Amino acid sequence: EADIYQTPRYLVIGTGKKITLECSQTMGHDKMYWYQQDPGMELHLIHYSYGVNSTEKGDLSSESTVSRIRTEHFPLTLESARPSHTSQYLCASSDGGGVHTEAFFGQGTRLTVV
Amino acid sequence: SQELEQSPQSLIVQEGKNLTINCTSSKTLYGLYWYKQKYGEGLIFLMMLQKGGEEKSHEKITAKLDEKKQQSSLHITASQPSHAGIYLCGAARMDSSYKLIFGSGTRLLVRP
Repeated sequence: EADIYQTPRYLVIGTGKKITLECSQTMGHDKMYWYQQDPGMELHLIHYSYGVNSTEKGDLSSESTVSRIRTEHFPLTLESARPSHTSQYLCASSDGGGVHTEAFFGQGTRLTVV
Repeated sequence: SQELEQSPQSLIVQEGKNLTINCTSSKTLYGLYWYKQKYGEGLIFLMMLQKGGEEKSHEKITAKLDEKKQQSSLHITASQPSHAGIYLCGAARMDSSYKLIFGSGTRLLVRP
């Protein structure tokens, strides 16, 4: 069973609020990812990290920011939430040892901005 | 642009029927992953294919990767309601980042 956790599971928040979505893994994986998934089910990569102090933007432009101060922790922050940020956010991690390793996913955070 | 194309987009089958989902890339893949997602939840890893012509099976699910490593199929035999969900193929992008990208998914519904 994958040891990657996301909190909160569900979040309803007002416009303009600052929020942080938490993602932690206990597998010692170097690579971590954040994906955004709308009800149309396509996953879009929004942030990517190779390791500590290494983060990159993904394919889909996002107003969110990430940090990677510790290997196991990869939080995503929205400074000022808007209704357009309503979506499901999925965090994943994979072993950085090579290309051919599967990614493990958290259960996701379903964010609703009202 | 979508680098991995999945078809069909959605599928409704009667319990007991076989079905196939396809995933196509315009570029040769390093490896191809299949995941299943229950509605509103995270992704569960099913299988990974690396070699051209490779085929793997787990219970009633079989996945194949073609010789050119540009197309994969996922076949479910004698489908059950428990197979319902969204099936996504994923692959590591073939640049220095090896970022993991996904197809648009296939939504499967199995009618009892």
